[in-house]
Amino acid sequence: GESVGLHLPTLSVQEGDNSIINCAYSNSASDYFIWYKQESGKGPQFIIDIRSNMDKRQGQRVTVLLNKTVKHLSLQIAATQPGDSAVYFCAETPERMDSSYKLIFGSGTRLLVRP
Amino acid sequence: DGGITQSPKYLFRKEGQNVTLSCEQNLNHDAMYWYRQDPGQGLRLIYYSQIVNDFQKGDIAEGYSVSREKKESFPLTVTSAQKNPTAFYLCASSRTGGNNQPQHFGDGTRLSIL
Repeated sequence: GESVGLHLPTLSVQEGDNSIINCAYSNSASDYFIWYKQESGKGPQFIIDIRSNMDKRQGQRVTVLLNKTVKHLSLQIAATQPGDSAVYFCAETPERMDSSYKLIFGSGTRLLVRP
Repeated sequence: DGGITQSPKYLFRKEGQNVTLSCEQNLNHDAMYWYRQDPGQGLRLIYYSQIVNDFQKGDIAEGYSVSREKKESFPLTVTSAQKNPTAFYLCASSRTGGNNQPQHFGDGTRLSIL
């Protein structure tokens, strides 16, 4: 992903509302995608993943949508809570074997939850 | 508890000094990774290892070195050749180095220059 420097895109939502975080990925050959949550001073925490043969996957309070036509990934968080405040990263893995190890990270979106 | 442990949490380096960051995992994962994160940015891959006694350069390996003598350990040395070492360093592991494998992260080491 391309760097956006110090100014992360920020999404501000009211507690209890639903949040939608978007990600445009770069490689049309990518076949596996992951969403991570990173709180301040901590490492990224795995939230949910999806393979390219799916267009939707649901977890607990989270849903990931994949649109391969426009290379777009989104994370929906239902009933957003203060503990959801963090930076969210999408990551993709290309299909080719010689890069199959590599996770390519987006630059992140900061989610702020207003009480 | 199974997980990835990075130490120290904070580290300071003097000019011309090499420093080593520790990463240990008890998840029995084959693959391990080192990333660098700069403020407000995503993660960039420094080195990775898919199996013991083997490792490969990532996108920004210059000024860094690693070893993988044991499955559970993947230390990263930041050498004096790395001219801009101030960053948050993250270690990760995955069950194998293949595709469709989520990587799980430690809580990082923040390195600063004295």
